[in-house]
Amino acid sequence: AQSVAQPEDQVNVAEGNPLTVKCTYSVSGNPYLFWYVQYPNRGLQFLLKYITGDNLVKGSYGFEAEFNKSQTSFHLKKPSALVSDSALYFCAVRAPLYNQGGKLIFGQGTELSVKP
Amino acid sequence: NAGVTQTPKFQVLKTGQSMTLQCAQDMNHEYMSWYRQDPGMGLRLIHYSVGAGITDQGEVPNGYNVSRSTTEDFPLRLLSAAPSQTSVYFCASRKRESPYNEQFFGPGTRLTVL
Repeated sequence: AQSVAQPEDQVNVAEGNPLTVKCTYSVSGNPYLFWYVQYPNRGLQFLLKYITGDNLVKGSYGFEAEFNKSQTSFHLKKPSALVSDSALYFCAVRAPLYNQGGKLIFGQGTELSVKP
Repeated sequence: NAGVTQTPKFQVLKTGQSMTLQCAQDMNHEYMSWYRQDPGMGLRLIHYSVGAGITDQGEVPNGYNVSRSTTEDFPLRLLSAAPSQTSVYFCASRKRESPYNEQFFGPGTRLTVL
């Protein structure tokens, strides 16, 4: 069965410092991985995805994610955090099409707090 | 292009009441779905649809009904509200052809059942 784990409920970073939000996954077959961000009282916004190809994926707002097959991880990174990056971040994996139409399976979310 | 829209934004119900959460998209997406978001549990799939006239159950379908009479609309009905259904509900859509496409989410409906 597919699953996603985000081991940290909260990550605290000082503005200007690099940030990492961790995600590990478990899938059978090729993983299709996504990161979404949720600002307060808003819906989820797509940040980036890994389907195939380069292990380093670049996305919106300066974020990137590193796919590591041997460690089954897909950590979200940014070289220099901004206060405006403070939000709830979700990692997700796409289930196979035969599993409820290829639904997204979400991690529990990580609250990122960037202090000035 | 409004994307995915949801109404209402907030709703308070009493136990046993019924209501419909509305969802619409103007991107001609075949695949639509409803999730609920609860603290510490991420988002869980309630129901989904791969096209007009076709719906199916997700992980947590009990207490909810859906229908898909048009490509644009995918309403979620709570038959008899219970406090356990207090949650934030998100509607999402994507093109069906490629499962690698990202989903687009609506702004959410925050529901409280007393």
